[in-house]
Amino acid sequence: AQSVTQPDIHITVSEGASLELRCNYSYGATPYLFWYVQSPGQGLQLLLKYFSGDTLVQGIKGFEAEFKRSQSSFNLRKPSVHWSDAAEYFCAVGITGGGNKLTFGTGTQLKVEL
Amino acid sequence: DVKVTQSSRYLVKRTGEKVFLECVQDMDHENMFWYRQDPGLGLRLIYFSYDVKMKEKGDIPEGYSVSREKKERFSLILESASTNQTSMYLCASGRDANPLGGNEQFFGPGTRLTVL
Repeated sequence: AQSVTQPDIHITVSEGASLELRCNYSYGATPYLFWYVQSPGQGLQLLLKYFSGDTLVQGIKGFEAEFKRSQSSFNLRKPSVHWSDAAEYFCAVGITGGGNKLTFGTGTQLKVEL
Repeated sequence: DVKVTQSSRYLVKRTGEKVFLECVQDMDHENMFWYRQDPGLGLRLIYFSYDVKMKEKGDIPEGYSVSREKKERFSLILESASTNQTSMYLCASGRDANPLGGNEQFFGPGTRLTVL
């Protein structure tokens, strides 16, 4: 079965600094991958997704992620963090033939210092 | 925009009560899902439905049941609520898998359930 690991439970960055959130997956074939963000008291919002093609994916709010097959990773990046980016971020993986079922990581809580 | 709504944002129930959580989506999605979210555990799939009256167990179905009588509505039922079911419950919907293998899920705002 597929699995997702987000090794960082909490991350704190200063406003304006760059950000990288790590995501590693375990699956025998090429998965399809997502990053979601959850603001306090809200549901999850899709930031970006990777199905195939270009391994660098652009998303909303200035985020991007890069799929690296050799490292089984799909790390989320942003060049300059804004205070409003403080939220919890979830990586998710789906598998071909698995319908729409997704497996989520345990999340990374991002704190932004002003 | 896709809209997924959940009947309550906050709910407080007593142990042993029967609890209904309702979810409605307005984009004619085939698939609907119920998750529970707990700190440090992320989202765990309880049940999902890929068609009206069709359901499949997720990773943690014990203590829960579901109902999907209409395409737009998916209900989660706690037959006899227990304190360990205190959690945030998230509903999601999505289209059938596309040729590349899948589609994203769209989430409701969540229901924070407290069982006393």
